[in-house]
Amino acid sequence: DGGITQSPKYLFRKEGQNVTLSCEQNLNHDAMYWYRQDPGQGLRLIYYSQIVNDFQKGDIAEGYSVSREKKESFPLTVTSAQKNPTAFYLCASSVSDRGGEKLFFGSGTQLSVL
Amino acid sequence: DAKTTQPNSMESNEEEPVHLPCNHSTISGTDYIHWYRQLPSQGPEYVIHGLTSNVNNRMASLAIAEDRKSSTLILHRATLRDAAVYYCILLNYGGSQGNLIFGKGTKLSVKP
Repeated sequence: DGGITQSPKYLFRKEGQNVTLSCEQNLNHDAMYWYRQDPGQGLRLIYYSQIVNDFQKGDIAEGYSVSREKKESFPLTVTSAQKNPTAFYLCASSVSDRGGEKLFFGSGTQLSVL
Repeated sequence: DAKTTQPNSMESNEEEPVHLPCNHSTISGTDYIHWYRQLPSQGPEYVIHGLTSNVNNRMASLAIAEDRKSSTLILHRATLRDAAVYYCILLNYGGSQGNLIFGKGTKLSVKP
């Protein structure tokens, strides 16, 4: 089945530790995104990438880093500089077709601090 | 940046129609109106989208005002599985979605 796979579903971070969230897609989409969602809130954009080897900061990029070495992969690293990392993280990709862009989301990773 | 306004919450009874409103008074001519919904602990899923004309698919209908400054998502017969947060967002065709804004959406509760 085509889609976006995020792993792990649950992740725990110790203080001062960097952790990496995986996002893989087999939809052949050029654009990929990382969002953060806090309880009862909307989605906030962390980083996005429109093409391999290129990415841009979103609204809340501080304390996060990404890479886009392959079209199908867009991992997100939550660094120790991110002081409040507990949140639900969502990866998405998008495609332009007749009728505009359409977003496809993964099932999310819940990150908690130990 | 183009932005939408939705009620925080709505309630419906099972088997009844539901009309979820969305205001987007600053919409530009190339913005498509999209609706996504998010079940608890899951990623949002696409529901429907449109530009100017009303749209129907197997999940829902989308009614767009003539001036495009508002739209309404219509669920014809609500089921318990339709209980979710519904997001109305504007996507610019072919452009970067780096300025895409997801608000808090409308939390729909469905009573049996």
